[in-house]
Amino acid sequence: AQSVTQLDSHVSVSEGTPVLLRCNYSSSYSPSLFWYVQHPNKGLQLLLKYTSAATLVKGINGFEAEFKKSETSFHLTKPSAHMSDAAEYFCVVSDRNFNKFYFGSGTKLNVKP
Amino acid sequence: GAVVSQHPSRVICKSGTSVKIECRSLDFQATTMFWYRQFPKKSLMLMATSNEGSKATYEQGVEKDKFLINHASLTLSTLTVTSAHPEDSSFYICSARDRSVPYNEQFFGPGTRLTVL
Repeated sequence: AQSVTQLDSHVSVSEGTPVLLRCNYSSSYSPSLFWYVQHPNKGLQLLLKYTSAATLVKGINGFEAEFKKSETSFHLTKPSAHMSDAAEYFCVVSDRNFNKFYFGSGTKLNVKP
Repeated sequence: GAVVSQHPSRVICKSGTSVKIECRSLDFQATTMFWYRQFPKKSLMLMATSNEGSKATYEQGVEKDKFLINHASLTLSTLTVTSAHPEDSSFYICSARDRSVPYNEQFFGPGTRLTVL
């Protein structure tokens, strides 16, 4: 079975400082992993995805994530937070056929001026 | 490219009435669409998988007769909440898979907020 655990429900950073949103996964096979962002009352936007290619994945808006099999982690990072990054972030693992997406519980990122 | 729309974006209805939500893939063909429900401050839960021209596959615990799903064309899936009650109030999000995109990622619609009075 597949599942993801987002270790922090809330993360607060100051503008210009690094962002780290943590995600651990469980999968019975080599997983496909995604990070989505959801702004208030909006749909989900794909930030980046890992599908068994390079372990360091670069996404939009300066975000990146590193797949670490030994740690079963896929943490999302950004070197410098912007106010516009304030949103809810979801880590997602897919089943083998991309038929089912399993969402983490989400991490709300707050960016302070 | 790969835009998914939902209509309506918000709907308020009286208890006991039925509400239909549309999900459209605007610039690609979606043989498979998915319906999720998001409770306040909670994650998304998959309700059902909708395949064009066939019956939807519902997740465990989702009432098939309450949440009717129809996927009549390659660009349209509908979710009808029948005899809605206040506990059905939620944010409903659809997604669609573009089979021409490598690794078949899902593209999400903007969601529909349902409020049942």
